[in-house]
Amino acid sequence: QKEVEQDPGPLSVPEGAIVSLNCTYSNSAFQYFMWYRQYSRKGPELLMYTYSSGNKEDGRFTAQVDKSSKYISLFIRDSQPSDSATYLCAFIYNQGGKLIFGQGTELSVKP
Amino acid sequence: GAGVSQSPRYKVAKRGQDVALRCDPISGHVSLFWYQQALGQGPEFLTYFQNEAQLDKSGLPSDRFFAERPEGSVSTLKIQRTQQEDSAVYLCASSSNPWGGQGVYEQYFGPGTRLTVT
Repeated sequence: QKEVEQDPGPLSVPEGAIVSLNCTYSNSAFQYFMWYRQYSRKGPELLMYTYSSGNKEDGRFTAQVDKSSKYISLFIRDSQPSDSATYLCAFIYNQGGKLIFGQGTELSVKP
Repeated sequence: GAGVSQSPRYKVAKRGQDVALRCDPISGHVSLFWYQQALGQGPEFLTYFQNEAQLDKSGLPSDRFFAERPEGSVSTLKIQRTQQEDSAVYLCASSSNPWGGQGVYEQYFGPGTRLTVT
């Protein structure tokens, strides 16, 4: 079983839709839970992070963590064509440093 | 300010050739990471430097892979006798936080070097 499972998509939605992206994980030792966004032919960039169960909101983006179910989500409200990218969930162990990524979900928002 | 830069952006190597990939991290960042990203996959950790010390090389796939950061700034990833399975994007990331430090989740990535082995 992989440490992190993420549906690779691709996911195509119309502009203005609400997008839900999800990852499951198996390791209870993960301390930080992140979402990175990667545009084509660019490096990933940090979108959101959290270290506790619950919701964290930043503008149109909401990150949700459920440690008991080992499940994290990213919600994008009022999606825009500029949101078209690959979204990677990522984790760091307690006292760790390396990022452990999911496979990435490719999102396309159509105008 | 300037972000992380990598060179070359694209590299084509014949199988068996040696290649060297360069990373210029953000100035003053103590942590430097190398990741390998295969097509359609998420990045996978290769190795970690804190300043000039290589503290973790557990992700290097074979002894053909070697990395260095001799003065604690620029880093080079060298692959000897390249094989087709080495074809991937090699990403470098830096952080102002050390391994285990609060905030190490915030890693700044370069654009990557796309290596194609023919």
